[in-house]
Amino acid sequence: NAGVMQNPRHLVRRRGQEARLRCSPMKGHSHVYWYRQLPEEGLKFMVYLQKENIIDESGMPKERFSAEFPKEGPSILRIQQVVRGDSAAYFCASSPDRGEKLFFGSGTQLSVL
Amino acid sequence: GEDVEQSLFLSVREGDSSVINCTYTDSSSTYLYWYKQEPGAGLQLLTYIFSNMDMKQDQRLTVLLNKKDKHLSLRIADTQTGDSAIYFCAESFTGGGNKLTFGTGTQLKVEL
Repeated sequence: NAGVMQNPRHLVRRRGQEARLRCSPMKGHSHVYWYRQLPEEGLKFMVYLQKENIIDESGMPKERFSAEFPKEGPSILRIQQVVRGDSAAYFCASSPDRGEKLFFGSGTQLSVL
Repeated sequence: GEDVEQSLFLSVREGDSSVINCTYTDSSSTYLYWYKQEPGAGLQLLTYIFSNMDMKQDQRLTVLLNKKDKHLSLRIADTQTGDSAIYFCAESFTGGGNKLTFGTGTQLKVEL
């Protein structure tokens, strides 16, 4: 049973470009969470999704950020018109059900030049 | 509000015990967690404790919870160089599902 898979591992974008981060949850997990880790900080919750639904997006910036978890395929975190402050490690986690333990992926390190 | 604090650094000698501390502010926590992050890697769940428990032991790891003082600690017995990593405590809340609030992490350095 493969773990939570995130790709790419590293992503470099220039200011103004779009970043798309992908997360495939563990097999049998239908709950996905995205967290962001800024340099030398702890992880901050961004969004919680179930298949085709956004359950809680209280941690998402109001503009430029969006997330989806379609019926088929991975969850996508999309950042439009990236700025240098978006540079961070973005972690995805999944669980089989609400309230169950989270399993984290290895993260995507986004660097904005 | 939700706030979780940890000391930034801890240095111990190999073979000694390490104690990593965490304080939190929200008394409605349901679970408290300890995660380990090695360089360039994701978070590995080490252990967790339900908020109505005082202590949990798992091999070299002992978690102590003082709910009155909102203080959580992780003790690692016989610390090894492979234990060098950043350790995060985190809490989840009643009704919050798995929306975790993380501390800033403690960098543990194990010296020979």
